[in-house]
Amino acid sequence: EDQVTQSPEALRLQEGESSSLNCSYTVSGLRGLFWYRQDPGKGPEFLFTLYSAGEEKEKERLKATLTKKESFLHITAPKPEDSATYLCAVQVSGGGADGLTFGKGTHLIIQP
Amino acid sequence: ETGVTQSPTHLIKTRGQQVTLRCSSQSGHNTVSWYQQALGQGPQFIFQYYREEENGRGNFPPRFSGLQFPNYSSELNVNALELDDSALYLCASSSNRGIDEKLFFGSGTQLSVL
Repeated sequence: EDQVTQSPEALRLQEGESSSLNCSYTVSGLRGLFWYRQDPGKGPEFLFTLYSAGEEKEKERLKATLTKKESFLHITAPKPEDSATYLCAVQVSGGGADGLTFGKGTHLIIQP
Repeated sequence: ETGVTQSPTHLIKTRGQQVTLRCSSQSGHNTVSWYQQALGQGPQFIFQYYREEENGRGNFPPRFSGLQFPNYSSELNVNALELDDSALYLCASSSNRGIDEKLFFGSGTQLSVL
């Protein structure tokens, strides 16, 4: 069974204090790993897709990396507007439209 | 370019009733998928529709059913509601039949079953 585990469940940082969120996964065959951001009362918003180990992608203060077993979302010098729940999801290879398997998310709070 | 819109935003039903949720996909998208998100959990895949046919389904019972219309809008129907069906129901659209799962989500319908 495909599994996605995110840690920590919650993280409180001071503005400007850099940190990393972890997503470990167990899948039969990885087609892609996705990061989404979800604000309260909203649907998830796409951030990144990573396809192979060693791949990295950046967007503003966020950088996502991928290994064969886990992905990290690095947040550099965060601002209060970065506060949100960050969701990791995987899509497995195999040809079927099986949707994404999501983790429970990391609830990130950035204090001014 | 219009985004994904869902209606209603909130809904209260009682156990045993039936409910229909609606979704208009983003302009140019022909694939719609539905997810259930319980409080404090990540979204769970219910099913996906491509060109009016279901082409993928998660681990949900048959009382969860759907439709996709020629304009690519979609409905999620849930029969015989149970208390555990209380959740945020998210619709997402994309432009490639389950291959590129860069999904564009709506804001969801919050369903409460009493």
